[in-house]
Amino acid sequence: NAGVTQTPKFRVLKTGQSMTLLCAQDMNHEYMYWYRQDPGMGLRLIHYSVGEGTTAKGEVPDGYNVSRLKKQNFLLGLESAAPSQTSVYFCASSYWQGGSPLHFGNGTRLTVT
Amino acid sequence: DQQVKQNSPSLSVQEGRISILNCDYTNSMFDYFLWYKKYPAEGPTFLISISSIKDKNEDGRFTVFLNKSAKHLSLHIVPSQPGDSAVYFCAESALTGANNLFFGTGTRLTVIP
Repeated sequence: NAGVTQTPKFRVLKTGQSMTLLCAQDMNHEYMYWYRQDPGMGLRLIHYSVGEGTTAKGEVPDGYNVSRLKKQNFLLGLESAAPSQTSVYFCASSYWQGGSPLHFGNGTRLTVT
Repeated sequence: DQQVKQNSPSLSVQEGRISILNCDYTNSMFDYFLWYKKYPAEGPTFLISISSIKDKNEDGRFTVFLNKSAKHLSLHIVPSQPGDSAVYFCAESALTGANNLFFGTGTRLTVIP
């Protein structure tokens, strides 16, 4: 099993450009999440989904959109990238039960110049 | 406001000795506390968790202690090994809702051979 796969691994954008980060999981998990990690800030939740066709805002949703058209995929979009969105982005998935560990992908390093 | 605090950004320990990583939290409503380990260029991986109704959970070399009155969580690694060198994050989660995790800022552990 691949677990949680994120593409791309690295990306450089110019301010104002758009892009989509892709996340796929093969564990049949109901829940999926997008986090960002910044130095000294830990991981912060951007958006999450509790099932196919659902999305919800996390702690830091501004400037991002998400879609979950299929249970195994969760897409994170940046419509107009800003330097403040330079970060490492992690996708994760879990079973629905509270306390279930999240399984993370290996991250996408995004730089916005 | 950071709900979960890891006040030590780094810790160095000799191989074979005990490593103690600490975490303080502010919200008593969470039901589970988890520890994640992260190597460079990889996603966080789940290490061990504890329910809020317990005060200790052990898994091999790893033991997590929960002191609810002090709102304090600690991870003990005995004996420490060079392969344990990584960044450790504590996180908290609720039984209800979307199983979102709130992460601390992380502690970088270095085990010296």
